[in-house]
Amino acid sequence: SQQGEEDPQALSIQEGENATMNCSYKTSINNLQWYRQNSGRGLVHLILIRSNEREKHSGRLRVTLDTSKKSSSLLITASRAADTASYFCATDGDGNSGYALNFGKGTSLLVTP
Amino acid sequence: EAGVTQFPSHSVIEKGQTVTLRCDPISGHDNLYWYRRVMGKEIKFLLHFVKESKQDESGMPNNRFLAERTGGTYSTLKVQPAELEDSGVYFCASSLALADYNEQFFGPGTRLTVL
Repeated sequence: SQQGEEDPQALSIQEGENATMNCSYKTSINNLQWYRQNSGRGLVHLILIRSNEREKHSGRLRVTLDTSKKSSSLLITASRAADTASYFCATDGDGNSGYALNFGKGTSLLVTP
Repeated sequence: EAGVTQFPSHSVIEKGQTVTLRCDPISGHDNLYWYRRVMGKEIKFLLHFVKESKQDESGMPNNRFLAERTGGTYSTLKVQPAELEDSGVYFCASSLALADYNEQFFGPGTRLTVL
């Protein structure tokens, strides 16, 4: 099953503004993670939120999780040009081992100076 | 501490040839994963090793793909013979994989182009 559908697919904002990305999934999960990928680079782990957690902060990042709606949001506050990247949510808990991550297609964020 | 490394960073081969990708996980991580992203599609899980054992290979597309992790350290993913649709970016990840905290660390990926 396809998990981790991000919304919007693309987002363009100016420096200093906040960026909000949403993710929906279909089956039960153990954890939900957000990753960032800069153009041509690998995936960088941003934050992990467990299924029994509702909100988590890390620096300028705030992640929420609503398991009743099977959705999560990633908020980046006071965005910078360096935040320009693709952002993916990934869920686990499905599959044979339970550890395989299921990714969405990602949100492409552009932050202009 | 070194992160997950992958070799090569890029590979261009012709259809029918063989390619072997290598992944070195973070030292001490028993769990190693392979993923790939085909152009325009999502990042898809291929398989999961726990030490040298294949825990889950449900994502392997067909028998042209062979993954090994002899000795439970680095892993290789061989594609033989390569087809055009195998082109994409192959990511490796590793984790300590505690039962309820599955934080996976990814390598930079190998971009495979099959001509």
